[in-house]
Amino acid sequence: AQSVTQLDSQVPVFEEAPVELRCNYSSSVSVYLFWYVQYPNQGLQLLLKYLSGSTLVESINGFEAEFNKSQTSFHLRKPSVHISDTAEYFCAVGSRNTGFQKLVFGTGTRLLVSP
Amino acid sequence: IAGITQAPTSQILAAGRRMTLRCTQDMRHNAMYWYRQDLGLGLRLIHYSNTAGTTGKGEVPDGYSVSRANTDDFPLTLASAVPSQTSVYFCASSGLAGGTTDTQYFGPGTRLTVL
Repeated sequence: AQSVTQLDSQVPVFEEAPVELRCNYSSSVSVYLFWYVQYPNQGLQLLLKYLSGSTLVESINGFEAEFNKSQTSFHLRKPSVHISDTAEYFCAVGSRNTGFQKLVFGTGTRLLVSP
Repeated sequence: IAGITQAPTSQILAAGRRMTLRCTQDMRHNAMYWYRQDLGLGLRLIHYSNTAGTTGKGEVPDGYSVSRANTDDFPLTLASAVPSQTSVYFCASSGLAGGTTDTQYFGPGTRLTVL
């Protein structure tokens, strides 16, 4: 069985400060890893994903995450956050099935960016 | 292209009533999913369908049923609603890339309150 742990339910930071949102997973098979972002009253949007290849993946708005197989982690980082980054962030792990995919989500981390 | 649409946006329902949440996608994705989102629990998979005509149970299927008569539509039915089904419901879909699926795309959600 797969599981995802997001230890921090809420992370408050000041604008332009760096941030790290932690994600650890457990799985007995090869996995895909995802970070989704949910802005208030909206659905989830894909932020970035790791499928294979380079362990460092980046999003178009400055976030990055590194797949660390030995530590079973996929932490999300941004060197300088903006007010507009305030949202809830979900880490998810998916298995490599053919035809469909089941995602297991973490409980989410609420990022609160203040001026 | 609308992506995924869900209806209704929100609904207040008396316990014991029947309710169908609608989900339609226009991306010709083969797989579709229903999740519920509850505070502190993240997203949990209710049912999924890897192709038209087939469905499967997720993590929390009790009290819910689905059908997949065609590629585009994946309705979720609560036969007799109970207060514990108060939640935000998200529909998602994913396509094929090289024979396996990866990214799931989410609808805007339906907020359901059962009194």
